[in-house]
Amino acid sequence: KNEVEQSPQNLTAQEGEFITINCSYSVGISALHWLQQHPGGGIVSLFMLSSGKKKHGRLIATINIQEKHSSLHITASHPRDSAVYICAVLGANFGNEKLTFGTGTRLTIIP
Amino acid sequence: DSGVTQTPKHLITATGQRVTLRCSPRSGDLSVYWYQQSLDQGLQFLIQYYNGEERAKGNILERFSAQQFPDLHSELNLSSLELGDSALYFCASSVMDTTNYGYTFGSGTRLTVV
Repeated sequence: KNEVEQSPQNLTAQEGEFITINCSYSVGISALHWLQQHPGGGIVSLFMLSSGKKKHGRLIATINIQEKHSSLHITASHPRDSAVYICAVLGANFGNEKLTFGTGTRLTIIP
Repeated sequence: DSGVTQTPKHLITATGQRVTLRCSPRSGDLSVYWYQQSLDQGLQFLIQYYNGEERAKGNILERFSAQQFPDLHSELNLSSLELGDSALYFCASSVMDTTNYGYTFGSGTRLTVV
């Protein structure tokens, strides 16, 4: 079983729909990251969370440390949001810089 | 442009060969991280350097090595290449020795071993 599990693996939605991508992890963490990878391959860091909720534009990320779960929400989705969204966790041990990645969720937004 | 520069963007080489991938971190960043993204294994952390010293090691094969130079650029050396080494190799940089205060990815080097 992977330490970081994402669901769904693939998601297709109509433009304007509210999108939720989930990430569950099984290890103690100091932080959780959400990344976006566009078809060209480039990776962008969207959020780093250690507790609570963060919002940036139409993107919202939440984390529940007790339940070891995080969600990434996209409001008013747009075709340019089409990308692979990757969850990654940073181990709780001091000095442990090994980011462990989920397998990603491929999101396609249809106009 | 993220500020993290990786060269080359694409590399095609034969099995058994050796290649060097280069990463220039964002100005002011002291940490460089290397990641491998393959189709079957997804993204994996390989190794981190901080201010010239190895800081953390992940799933890096013995055939692979890396270093960070005094000017803070880093090189990832891959030797005795196998078909399975074909992947996207990303580097990222951060100002501190942790990704918890933000980090930036380069655009990657696509390595194809034939």
